[in-house]
Parts: sequence; C-alpha cells; structure tokens
Amino acid sequence: EIVLTQSPGTLSLSPGERATLSCRTSHSVASTYVLWYQQKPGQAPRLLIYDIFTRAAGIPDRFSGSGSGTDFTLTISRLEPEDSAVYYCQHYGRSPPMYTFGQGTKLEIK
Amino acid sequence: QVQLQESGPGLVRPSGTLSLTCAVSGGSISTSNWWSWVRQTPDKGLQWIGEIDLNGVTNFNPSLKSRVSISIDKSKSQISLNLNSVTAADTAVYFCARHLLTTPGFDVWGQGTLVTVSS
Repeated sequence: EIVLTQSPGTLSLSPGERATLSCRTSHSVASTYVLWYQQKPGQAPRLLIYDIFTRAAGIPDRFSGSGSGTDFTLTISRLEPEDSAVYYCQHYGRSPPMYTFGQGTKLEIK
Repeated sequence: QVQLQESGPGLVRPSGTLSLTCAVSGGSISTSNWWSWVRQTPDKGLQWIGEIDLNGVTNFNPSLKSRVSISIDKSKSQISLNLNSVTAADTAVYFCARHLLTTPGFDVWGQGTLVTVSS
C-alpha cells in the first residue's frame, strides 16, 4: 500500500511570494498518476494539476506541477490571498485500483 | 457544465446502513466512464471509497470492500452508495466525483454531505 507524505504541514507566506509544496510517495510511481487538488473550507476539493503538469480547466498558470519517481512538487507563484487553502496530492494505483490522498498542506497567505 | 449533488440521511444509527445518492445534472452521466465516492474526516483526511463504470463494474477500497456497494442508474443519472454495519468511524463528509477521461483522477465533485453515525 502506497503512502503519500506531504510537507510542510502548514506554510505561511505573503502575497506575491512563491509556494513550494511537496508530496513524497513511499515508493516510485508513474508521474502521470499523481494529481493535485485545492480545498477551501466548506468546499469540495478542486482539481488543479494532472498528467504531471497539465492544469485543469480554469486554473491559472501560476500553478505548476513537476516531479518524478517518489518526489512531486506543486508550485504556486505570485501568491494571491485567494490561494489560501489546503492542498492535496493524490495517487492512482492500478493493481488493484486504488486512489490514495496525502494528508494535505495548509497554505496561509499573510 | 456537469454538476453533482449528494443526498441522503444526515444521521444513521450504529450498525445500520448508510445510503446516499448522487444526482448528475447539467450534462449526461456518460460524460465520464467512471464515477467515485470519496469521504473526508478531520483525522483520516480524504479516503476513496469506491468507483463504478457506466456498465456497473465496480472497484472498492480494500479497507471498506466488505461493507460497501455502489450502483448506477443511467436512466436517472444517479450513482448510489450503500455502506453497511456503520460505526462512529464512518462519520464523515461524503462526496461523489466524476473521473477524468484520460487520467485516474476526479475533475468534478459534488458539494458533499455530512453523515453522522450516532444513536
């Protein structure tokens, strides 16, 4: 069973800065099977990134994904107050089918 | 655009069965081949429950497999979840979600519904 570990637990930054969020998998995985979501309080998760670096519909280019093997990164540049949220990575395993989420990183915009 | 709406009892008794329905609107249920249920708790975070395709083929989280069933009614554009023998540990916000066509992930989510297991 794969484990996704996200770091840091909480990140506090100022508007205009860059956020770097990490997702580490317990063993090497196919990059195309790691996705990223944003969740604001009281809302459902919102898909941000899939296929490593493809942004979902309506996601600004300030959001970018990268990584391979066991280390994956979500980068948010030029932070805005609306980026305050919890960010989750998710992995898909094929055999048997299984979707696993990280525990999340809380991003606070000061 | 496609919207999802979960519905069902907000309170379920311990040892009972949790039953939820996800209504698909704003587009055809055939906009995706697969649909999932995901739940969220403060301590365990996001947990995938299971998925179903348009033909009724299902896959489940091994930790829940013995207690869960998912069905689809294409004529009503609905996906249903049943979880039996519930305990307080099943108290969570339950989401239904549409799968991306090309990658195993979820591009449309319902707003979620809180289900509390309590006597």
